[in-house]
Amino acid sequence: KQEVTQIPAALSVPEGENLVLNCSFTDSAIYNLQWFRQDPGKGLTSLLLIQSSQREQTSGRLNASLDKSSGRSTLYIAASQPGDSATYLCAVKGPDSSASKIIFGSGTRLSIRP
Amino acid sequence: DGGITQSPKYLFRKEGQNVTLSCEQNLNHDAMYWYRQDPGQGLRLIYYSQIVNDFQKGDIAEGYSVSREKKESFPLTVTSAQKNPTAFYLCATRDGSSTDTQYFGPGTRLTVL
Repeated sequence: KQEVTQIPAALSVPEGENLVLNCSFTDSAIYNLQWFRQDPGKGLTSLLLIQSSQREQTSGRLNASLDKSSGRSTLYIAASQPGDSATYLCAVKGPDSSASKIIFGSGTRLSIRP
Repeated sequence: DGGITQSPKYLFRKEGQNVTLSCEQNLNHDAMYWYRQDPGQGLRLIYYSQIVNDFQKGDIAEGYSVSREKKESFPLTVTSAQKNPTAFYLCATRDGSSTDTQYFGPGTRLTVL
């Protein structure tokens, strides 16, 4: 059974720092991995999606990497800003396109100090 | 939030009552999902539907029911059989294209009084 873990549960860093959020999964047979952002009391917003055949995806200051063999993904945020404060969740889907179950991690709550 | 609307935003229920949460989408996506989120936890799948008139139980379906009579709509009923229904409920769709991205609605917070 696939399990997704995000450590740490909470992280606080000063503004301007580069930071890395971690996501690990137990079954490497995944179809894709998606990173989401969630603001308090709101729905999830998709940030990046990495297909199983890809190693990384980039969008602006965000870069997500995927290492299937080790069951890990990282979300790199460059030059952090107070507006980046939110909870970040990763989710894995797999192992094939017809499999509809998506397993979520419990998230990392990120706080950027001005 | 894209083209997914959930209503109401806040819902209060007395014990023993059934309540229905609305989810409507105009993204023309076939697949729709209902998740439950409890504080400090990830999302847990309640029900999902890959196509109209078809749906499957997720990991925590007990005490919930759904219908999928139209592509645009996937309402969730929280029945009195659900022992601990207070939670944040999120509806999502999946575009099924090569990007296979999930899109989420703004959520409904249900509180049992």
